[in-house]
Amino acid sequence: NAGVTQTPKFRILKIGQSMTLQCAQDMNHNYMYWYRQDPGMGLKLIYYSVGAGITDKGEVPNGYNVSRSTTEDFPLRLELAAPSQTSVYFCASSYTRTGELFFGEGSRLTVL
Amino acid sequence: DQQVKQNSPSLSVQEGRISILNCDYTNSMFDYFLWYKKYPAEGPTFLISISSIKDKNEDGRFTVFLNKSAKHLSLHIVPSQPGDSAVYFCAASATGNQFYFGTGTSLTVIP
Repeated sequence: NAGVTQTPKFRILKIGQSMTLQCAQDMNHNYMYWYRQDPGMGLKLIYYSVGAGITDKGEVPNGYNVSRSTTEDFPLRLELAAPSQTSVYFCASSYTRTGELFFGEGSRLTVL
Repeated sequence: DQQVKQNSPSLSVQEGRISILNCDYTNSMFDYFLWYKKYPAEGPTFLISISSIKDKNEDGRFTVFLNKSAKHLSLHIVPSQPGDSAVYFCAASATGNQFYFGTGTSLTVIP
């Protein structure tokens, strides 16, 4: 059981470039989330999904987009990367809305 | 606006002693609380949770205490072991809504 898998683990982007962070889970969880963690800060929710075809904004959605075409996959798209998006990104999933979150290992993104 | 606060960025404890990690929250609607543990270069992993209908939950060496009137929860680790050295995050949610995370406390257990 792989759990939650994120790719890539590291990426450097130039300002204005775009990229997609991939997230896949094999636990058949309906709920999936994207968080970012900045140094000295807690995890902030970017977007979440309660099932295939349904997504909603979290606390810090600006500059990001998501899609959920399957139960397994929840990619996060960064359009026009900015230095403020330099962060560590975590994807997570859960069986229920208030249940335990299972996290991926994180993707460290640097925008220069 | 940080709704969940962990005011101690770091804590050092001798092996075998008790570690107490604290967490305060501001939203009285929060009714479910979790603690996560995070090692470097890994994602957070779930440790223990507590619902607002309880004031204590225990799982082996880990106990979480909830004081609703003070909007405070704490995680006790007894006895502390070197493998417990990690960053600990508390998180809180109101039923059906998103989790809010604290900034984390880095625990070092000294052998």
